[in-house]
Amino acid sequence: AQSVTQPDIHITVSEGASLELRCNYSYGATPYLFWYVQSPGQGLQLLLKYFSGDTLVQGIKGFEAEFKRSQSSFNLRKPSVHWSDAAEYFCAVGATDAGNMLTFGGGTRLMVKP
Amino acid sequence: NAGVTQTPKFRILKIGQSMTLQCTQDMNHNYMYWYRQDPGMGLKLIYYSVGAGITDKGEVPNGYNVSRSTTEDFPLRLELAAPSQTSVYFCASSSILWGAGYGYTFGSGTRLTVV
Repeated sequence: AQSVTQPDIHITVSEGASLELRCNYSYGATPYLFWYVQSPGQGLQLLLKYFSGDTLVQGIKGFEAEFKRSQSSFNLRKPSVHWSDAAEYFCAVGATDAGNMLTFGGGTRLMVKP
Repeated sequence: NAGVTQTPKFRILKIGQSMTLQCTQDMNHNYMYWYRQDPGMGLKLIYYSVGAGITDKGEVPNGYNVSRSTTEDFPLRLELAAPSQTSVYFCASSSILWGAGYGYTFGSGTRLTVV
């Protein structure tokens, strides 16, 4: 069975600073990887996804993520954080068997200092 | 285009009461899912369905039941509410072409408190 670990429960960065959120996964085959963002009281919005090909993927809102197979990682990055990026971020790994299920990490809550 | 619609948005239940969380999607997606979200725990899969008439248990199914009589609807039933079921519940759907890059579409969630 697949699993996802997000080692950082909370991260605080200053507005304008760079950001990296860590994600490690465990899956027996080539993974489908996702990052979702959840603003307070809202549902989950897809930021970006990796299925195959270029290991650096671009998403919405200026985010990008890099798939590193050797490290089983899919870290999310943004060069300059905006106050509106404050939210909770979830990494997920998807299985293509048994119903296309996503397994989520525990989430990282991002706070942005002015 | 509504996507995935969940009702109600908020609900307070007393221990032992029953309720049904409604989920409807208008995208003709075959796959539907129920997750619960608890602080620091991410989202845990409760039940899922790969099509009308077919459902299966996820990681945390105890205390819940589902049905899938149509492609559009996937209600989640709590028969005897317990405080441990206090959580935020999300319904999601995906296309059978999920592997081609469509991912999940999530509803806006139902916040349930059992007192």
